Amino acid sequence: AQTVTQSQPEMSVQEAETVTLSCTYDTSESDYYLFWYKQPPSRQMILVIRQEAYKQQNATENRFSVNFQKAAKSFSLKISDSQLGDAAMYFCAYRSASYGGSQGNLIFGKGTKLSVKP
Amino acid sequence: DTAVSQTPKYLVTQMGNDKSIKCEQNLGHDTMYWYKQDSKKFLKIMFSYNNKELIINETVPNRFSPKSPDKAHLNLHINSLELGDSAVYFCASSQRTVMNTEAFFGQGTRLTVV
Repeated sequence: AQTVTQSQPEMSVQEAETVTLSCTYDTSESDYYLFWYKQPPSRQMILVIRQEAYKQQNATENRFSVNFQKAAKSFSLKISDSQLGDAAMYFCAYRSASYGGSQGNLIFGKGTKLSVKP
Repeated sequence: DTAVSQTPKYLVTQMGNDKSIKCEQNLGHDTMYWYKQDSKKFLKIMFSYNNKELIINETVPNRFSPKSPDKAHLNLHINSLELGDSAVYFCASSQRTVMNTEAFFGQGTRLTVV
């Protein structure tokens, strides 16, 4: 079974600075997808960024980028120029590329609570 | 237009009651899910439903049952509610044939059992 681990329960960053959230995962599959979701106090789950395992190039979405190390099974999220609105819970998630019995379920890490200091 | 909508957003009920949470998606997705987020914010899959195929997480008590009247709806029924059922329940949907797209989530239902 696949597992996702986020080793940082809480992180803090100064506004306009850069912060990196860690995520590691365990799988025997070679093809899969990885996601970072943001959950602000409103509870809404919002996709931040996605990465296909077969792509070597790291995904980037504006101020958000990932460092995907497939061999190390690591998928960290870097937030540049942090803003107050970035304060939220961040969840790393894994999805198998083979449908099988999982039906495309997301497997989540336990989350990292990010605080942004003005 | 809301992509995935759940009702109600908040639900307070007494132990032993039976309750339902409704979920609707207007994205044309073929697979819907229910996730449970506990007090420590941990998100875990409860059910996934594609057409007529239901996959149940083995840890989910049989007091929980999903009902899907059609592709756009997946409701969650809970019988004989217990204190431990208090959590936030999220409905989500995705397209089975497009695995690299994200799942879209509803806004969650905070269930409090007293």
